[in-house]
Amino acid sequence: GESVGLHLPTLSVQEGDNSIINCAYSNSASDYFIWYKQESGKGPQFIIDIRSNMDKRQGQRVTVLLNKTVKHLSLQIAATQPGDSAVYFCAEDRNQFYFGTGTSLTVIP
Amino acid sequence: NAGVTQTPKFRILKIGQSMTLQCTQDMNHNYMYWYRQDPGMGLKLIYYSVGAGITDKGEVPNGYNVSRSTTEDFPLRLELAAPSQTSVYFCASSYPGVSPLHFGNGTRLTVT
Repeated sequence: GESVGLHLPTLSVQEGDNSIINCAYSNSASDYFIWYKQESGKGPQFIIDIRSNMDKRQGQRVTVLLNKTVKHLSLQIAATQPGDSAVYFCAEDRNQFYFGTGTSLTVIP
Repeated sequence: NAGVTQTPKFRILKIGQSMTLQCTQDMNHNYMYWYRQDPGMGLKLIYYSVGAGITDKGEVPNGYNVSRSTTEDFPLRLELAAPSQTSVYFCASSYPGVSPLHFGNGTRLTVT
């Protein structure tokens, strides 16, 4: 069946650099997407969401971009900090949420 | 607000034992969910509820049962624990419609 997937399982960045985490989705009818952050031993924490009628949405140090043409979602983290080290999931709402397997982000001090 | 609270945090069960994973939320969310998370896999939906007295199966319901007698509580019951149920279980809640899920911190269950 259709599923949400992530391009890279791991990502290492230098502290202060920008991070980009990608996600592909396969259902063009999906109209709501969420990015979650999960730290070790904790539950997923909401970061930012976007509806399909938008291409871009910004939060504090984070930006989500949605490209409906190629069914691609990305999360950009500006000035990455050690506290950003975690696993990041995208989720796609198709009547119920479907989650990607996650990308592990490591911030190098 | 405490958000979504799950208990216990950890549990070890023997094969065939039963247990209830507790979940409560104080955000007055109508919708509640149970997910399991296995290594290298995305979260899988076990059961969900759109309100008190209403429950429905998700993607992987076999071996589990739920009830929803109040808006706040949504316990998950394992009747005959099996090694395949070793996992981390997350409870979540949300408002109806287009709304993000809010997760608890999980219950790590090992069945041996």
